[in-house]
Formats: sequence, structure tokens, C-alpha cells
Amino acid sequence: EVQLLESGGGLGQPGGSLRLSCAASGFTFSSYAMTWVRQAPGKGLEWVSTLSASGGTTYYADSVKGRFTTSRDNSKNTLFLQMNSLRAEDTAVYYCAKAPSSDNSNWYGAFDYWGQGTLVTVSS
Amino acid sequence: DIVMTQSPLSLPVTPGEPASISCRSSQSLLHRNGKNYLDWYLQKPGQSPQLLIFLGSVRASGVPDRFSGSGSGTEFTLKISRVEAEDVGVYYCMQPLQPPYTFGQGTKLEIK
Repeated sequence: EVQLLESGGGLGQPGGSLRLSCAASGFTFSSYAMTWVRQAPGKGLEWVSTLSASGGTTYYADSVKGRFTTSRDNSKNTLFLQMNSLRAEDTAVYYCAKAPSSDNSNWYGAFDYWGQGTLVTVSS
Repeated sequence: DIVMTQSPLSLPVTPGEPASISCRSSQSLLHRNGKNYLDWYLQKPGQSPQLLIFLGSVRASGVPDRFSGSGSGTEFTLKISRVEAEDVGVYYCMQPLQPPYTFGQGTKLEIK
């Protein structure tokens, strides 16, 4: 059974940092691209970042580019989101999601499994 | 960036009746491979989103056949042939054609 378990959410200070983790199980983690999607309270879904299976290619939303870094440790089946220079507008539930493809060569979206999400609140 | 626009934003439906949601993109989602890069997701109350349809019309594993996706280019439709109580939630279209991948605003389906 595929499972994605996010952790690391909590209260962050404006200008501060948080690091989210997404522990994956039930599939060959190193073979699939992974994505972060967030949802501000009461709002819709916003794509944040996608990382290829190898970790060699990453895409970011303009709203987080230069502040957030997505990485993965395929030996530990874990996806990370390093969030720096936090802003109030980063307050959201952050979901990790799996794609059924590995990289641009076979990409077609279709995030087929999602975690339960972790809440990040940015406030002083 | 590709802008995704859904309509309606609110959809009250009587159980057993059909429902339809429209999704329009500001640019064509037709890939050079001939496939339309358009996903549909459902977020049920209190739950994470779940994939319903990908590549415009392909039902994801385990999705009931009362859900169908159609369309091409810039106009797409999600249809539910007979709405059931468990179908309540917010439906989102998303384009995975080119980053930044973008979602529609969401359509909230409720039971009358």
C-alpha cells in the first residue's frame, strides 16, 4: 500500500525557516517524481514544486522560487521541502504527492497518491 | 503562466441527477504527443485531494465509471452521470503541461 506521511509543520516566524519531510512507503520511491502542493486556509490548491525521480530536475512556483528548495534522499525514501524567508502568505497545509512518471521524458502529471498534509503557520 | 478557469464555482445537485463542470485554459493543453495534459481532482471534506481523471479523459484506478472527462485544447468538461452523496466536495482541474502547473479555482459540489 502506497503511503506518504508529511511532517515538520508548525509555527514559523516571518523571515524564518522550516523543513518539511515526506516519508514514502509501498512503492519504489527512487523511480517516481514527487510534488509539493499547498492549500491556504479556506482556499484552493496551489502547486509548489516538482522534483524528478533522480533529483536532477526541479521546478518551482514563482511564489516560492529562491526561498524554497525541494530535495530527496532516495536511500531513505524521503522528500524534503526546505522553506526559508517565510512569509505570512506561506501559511497553508502542505501536501506531498507522487507522480506516476519519473522525469520529463515520460511526464504527464496525474498525481496519483497524496499524503494527509502538514500545516505550516507563519506568524510572529 | 497558464490560467485555468472553472465554472460553475458552486454546483448544487439532486442525487441521481447528472452534473457537469467546465474547465478552460488560457493556452492549449495539447502536447506534441497528441494527448491533452489535463487532470481532474476531487477533495472531499476534510480529506486530501484524490486523482479522478488524467490526460483529459482517462479515469484513475478505482474511480467509478459515472465520472468521465472530455475535451481538447482549451476546453474540458468533467461529467458525473448520476451524482451520489459521496461525490460532495471540491473539484479542481489542473494543467501539468508546463510549469508552473496551475489549478482551477475549484467547483464545490453539494447535494440539494
